[in-house]
Amino acid sequence: RKEVEQDPGPFNVPEGATVAFNCTYSNSASQSFFWYRQDCRKEPKLLMSVYSSGNEDGRFTAQLNRASQYISLLIRDSKLSDSATYLCVVNIGSSYKLIFGSGTRLLVRP
Amino acid sequence: DTEVTQTPKHLVMGMTNKKSLKCEQHMGHRAMYWYKQKAKKPPELMFVYSYEKLSINESVPSRFSPECPNSSLLNLHLHALQPEDSALYLCASSLGQGPTNEKLFFGSGTQLSVL
Repeated sequence: RKEVEQDPGPFNVPEGATVAFNCTYSNSASQSFFWYRQDCRKEPKLLMSVYSSGNEDGRFTAQLNRASQYISLLIRDSKLSDSATYLCVVNIGSSYKLIFGSGTRLLVRP
Repeated sequence: DTEVTQTPKHLVMGMTNKKSLKCEQHMGHRAMYWYKQKAKKPPELMFVYSYEKLSINESVPSRFSPECPNSSLLNLHLHALQPEDSALYLCASSLGQGPTNEKLFFGSGTQLSVL
């Protein structure tokens, strides 16, 4: 089993849609969880950290389910500019080993 | 704009060449990372330095040799690479107070082609 797994997509949605991505991780000792966004031919950029209580930043909501070992990202009211690859990142155990999921590609169409 | 600077942006090298990739950050971060990314794949961790000491080596072949001369600089020395090593090499840094909640900040990468 991979350490961090995501549905590769692509998710093709119209503007204004709500879309959700999931990411599962295998190491129950993992403590840090993040969502990154990567545009074509650019470096990954931090979208948001994911906390146990769940957190929201504008149209983006992230949640963590420790019991089932997955994190999720919800995007409401999708914009064309949200088109990108969304990568979950998890630290393995209590280390600096930060591992990326395979990424989920989102295409928002007019 | 990224606060992690990588040079060069592009590099073409032969299999017998020796070259170096450079990374610099002035955010006071004490953890620095090298990732390798192939097209349509996620970044793969290669090395992590914490307080200028190598803390993680993900079984990377010895033709890749990292170096952290000081807290702001990270180098990746390349020697006798193979064509399959062609990829985008990303440098990242984080606060280094962790390992909990260590947010990665990436440079824009070096696109390496090995002929």
